[in-house]
Amino acid sequence: EAGVAQSPRYKIIEKRQSVAFWCNPISGHATLYWYQQILGQGPKLLIQFQNNGVVDDSQLPKDRFSAERLKGVDSTLKIQPAKLEDSAVYLCASSLHREETQYFGPGTRLLVL
Amino acid sequence: QKEVEQNSGPLSVPEGAIASLNCTYSDRGSQSFFWYRQYSGKSPELIMFIYSNGDKEDGRFTAQLNKASQYVSLLIRDSQPSDSATYLCAEFSGNTGKLIFGQGTTLQVKP
Repeated sequence: EAGVAQSPRYKIIEKRQSVAFWCNPISGHATLYWYQQILGQGPKLLIQFQNNGVVDDSQLPKDRFSAERLKGVDSTLKIQPAKLEDSAVYLCASSLHREETQYFGPGTRLLVL
Repeated sequence: QKEVEQNSGPLSVPEGAIASLNCTYSDRGSQSFFWYRQYSGKSPELIMFIYSNGDKEDGRFTAQLNKASQYVSLLIRDSQPSDSATYLCAEFSGNTGKLIFGQGTTLQVKP
């Protein structure tokens, strides 16, 4: 069974530029999560989708971050404009249902200069 | 605000020893916890899930949950250099599917 796929794996941008990350969850997984992991910290949930609906986006900085999950499968996370403090690894995870185990993708490492 | 606390370490143990990793949590109502392992530059991978008081064993790993004292621990027996990684403790809400992670403890197993 294929795992969670993410792209790109690495991205370097300058502050005030925009960037987008893509995630393809494990086939059949209804719940999808985006996490931000800053160096030396644990992952922090940004947004949670159940199928194509948002369940929790309370920690998403909505003035600059946006996310969507069209058709309840793939998802994209966008940052516009990026700030230096957005430098982090962005992890996508999925679970069969929200009460099930979450499986993580390889992450996208973002560096904002 | 729920919090999960871990000592960032590093925790250094010799090869073959028992490594003990600890985690405390603030919400007395928390029911279940995950332990994930994260190698440098990699994504978290599942080790164990525990939701009842007491011990749960899986191979060289034993998770312990003490709800009265609000701590969770992970014991790794016969530690190997390949166990060197950051171990993340996470409180899990089954109702929402939300994970709240601690900052992780870095384990170094020296040959």
